[in-house]
Parts: sequence; structure tokens; C-alpha cells
Amino acid sequence: QSALTQPASVSGSPGQSITISCTGTSSDVGGYNYVSWYQQHPGKAPKLMIYDVSNRPSGVSNRFSGSKSGNTASLTISGLQAEDEADYYCSSYTSSSTAVFGGGTQLTVL
Amino acid sequence: EVQLVQSGAEVKKPGESLKISCKGSGYSFTSYWIGWVRQMPGKGLEWMGIIYPGDSDTRYSPSFQGQVTISADKSISTAYLQWSSLKASDTAMYYCARSIAVAGRYDYWGQGTLVTVSS
Repeated sequence: QSALTQPASVSGSPGQSITISCTGTSSDVGGYNYVSWYQQHPGKAPKLMIYDVSNRPSGVSNRFSGSKSGNTASLTISGLQAEDEADYYCSSYTSSSTAVFGGGTQLTVL
Repeated sequence: EVQLVQSGAEVKKPGESLKISCKGSGYSFTSYWIGWVRQMPGKGLEWMGIIYPGDSDTRYSPSFQGQVTISADKSISTAYLQWSSLKASDTAMYYCARSIAVAGRYDYWGQGTLVTVSS
């Protein structure tokens, strides 16, 4: 199975909104509502931000939201803050009863 | 408090074997899946495989099938990732993480185990 496709980098100014895309196939992203998003700061373990396409775990800011259309899922961060600067990864369940991550997106807050 | 505590950093030579661990606490260890994730230096996350300690049901990524073995000992709430013959390309940080389902909602993560393979 191939990694899901994410842009290598995105950037935005404080207060702005950004969207990170995650493109797969009908065998993963498009076939199931089991897309998750993770935030990873340098030297730290990943943190779950969104699960099942659009659900936020307790404690995650409502500035983070997720959606999906066809084979592409998206993570939107509104009201960008300096602390949002990190790497972001999507993941999806697959038709092989396994999971796959995206290649990761580096978010820079200008 | 839910915790996943991983074993410490390892330095090994090519060809050596290794088994790293991930001990869960603060929850019912047999009711959640434990997944393993590789992160090579400066690279992204890679899903390796997952195990359900309740019945040892195990799934592997095709990329890691046959390269590693995932196991669990539910009597001590510990999952394992092992190699029989390490390669330099196995040098990476390895994370374990808990999920309610194979679909992968990894809500708690271990601190990571750094494995360095060098002659």
C-alpha cells in the first residue's frame, strides 16, 4: 500500500486559516470514514487531533476541524497560532484491514 | 491515567536481534489494540502493524511483514516489537500507540524508543 499524499509544506500568518489535504484511493480514504490526523512537534510523540474524519478528541481546540470528499480528506486549522507550527500527518484504514499514514505536512506559522 | 511506557534506547550491530517493549497502564490492556509506528531520522510516520492483546490478533503492513514480529503478553500488559536480524536501515524511532480499533484512532502514545544499528 502506498502512503497517502499530503503537501510537503503549508504556511499561514497568525489568525489566518489553512487547510492540509490528504489524498488516497477508494481502498483507503475514499472507502471508509476512518481518517485521523496527528500533530507532531519536534522531538515529541504524535498527538491525535481528529479521528473518524471529523471528530475531535476531548481537549483538542475547536480551531481544528476535519472533512472528507471522495478520496481526499482535509484538516483545517482556523485562527492560526504560533503553537500550531508542527508536522501534521493523516492516516486511514485500508481495505487490507491495516492502516497507512500520509507523508506528512510541515506547517509554518509566519 | 493512561500511560504507555516504552523501553529505553538501544544501540545494536547489524545482524543482531532485538526486542523492544511497550507497557500499558491505567486502562484495560486487553480491550485496546496496540500499534507500532516507525519514524526514520528526519522522515515521516510509517504504520508497521497492530496487535489486539485480548486474543493476539495481529496485522502487518505489507512493507513490514516478515521483517518484524509483533507480540503481546497480556499478563504483564506489555506489547513487543522484535527483529531477528537488524539492518542499518532499521535505525529509527519506534512508537507504540493505543487504539480502540484497527482503523486507528491512536489516542495515547508511548514516548518512543530510539534504535540505532551501526557497525
